[in-house]
Amino acid sequence: GNSVTQMEGPVTLSEEAFLTINCTYTATGYPSLFWYVQYPGEGLQLLLKATKADDKGSNKGFEATYRKETTSFHLEKGSVQVSDSAVYFCALRSATNKLIFGTGTLLAVQP
Amino acid sequence: SQTIHQWPATLVQPVGSPLSLECTVEGTSNPNLYWYRQAAGRGLQLLFYSVGIGQISSEVPQNLSASRPQDRQFILSSKKLLLSDSGFYLCAWTRTGGFWGTEAFFGQGTRLTVV
Repeated sequence: GNSVTQMEGPVTLSEEAFLTINCTYTATGYPSLFWYVQYPGEGLQLLLKATKADDKGSNKGFEATYRKETTSFHLEKGSVQVSDSAVYFCALRSATNKLIFGTGTLLAVQP
Repeated sequence: SQTIHQWPATLVQPVGSPLSLECTVEGTSNPNLYWYRQAAGRGLQLLFYSVGIGQISSEVPQNLSASRPQDRQFILSSKKLLLSDSGFYLCAWTRTGGFWGTEAFFGQGTRLTVV
């Protein structure tokens, strides 16, 4: 069946550090891949997405590339800010519209 | 514009009591609808999803059930709550139309405490 595995947190970084949050998936067919973010006290919102192999999603300085050969969609940012502190969720949506999420990774950025 | 309503925001129920959480979507037709439970440290667990009226896919066998009596209404129910049913429940919707790359939109959630 479909599944999403992402690195466990918490991830603690200093401001301006480089961020990588790993995400791998298992799916039949060609799912779409997403990163959602949940800021403290707020609901989930879409951060970025990619709908086919080799697509790169980007938003707010974050990037992730759909790698079919490694079934991965790792989230990266070159220089994190305190305001990036949040929980990040990797997700996939299959052709049957099943939408599943990883366990979430808490990112804490210290000034 | 589309909006999603989920209620109640918080709920405290005794063990063994029934449960009914409601979610409605406005401004779109034939949405895909989802129920998730978010537990601390466990991320978002997909409970049920529906691609049309009367079509419910159950992902986790448990004490809960879901129904879709109308196109834009999704209800999460239980006949007898367990302590383990406590958690944060989220409803979400996505567009249909054959393309599965569109994003999901979430309700504000219901904090359920079973005592």
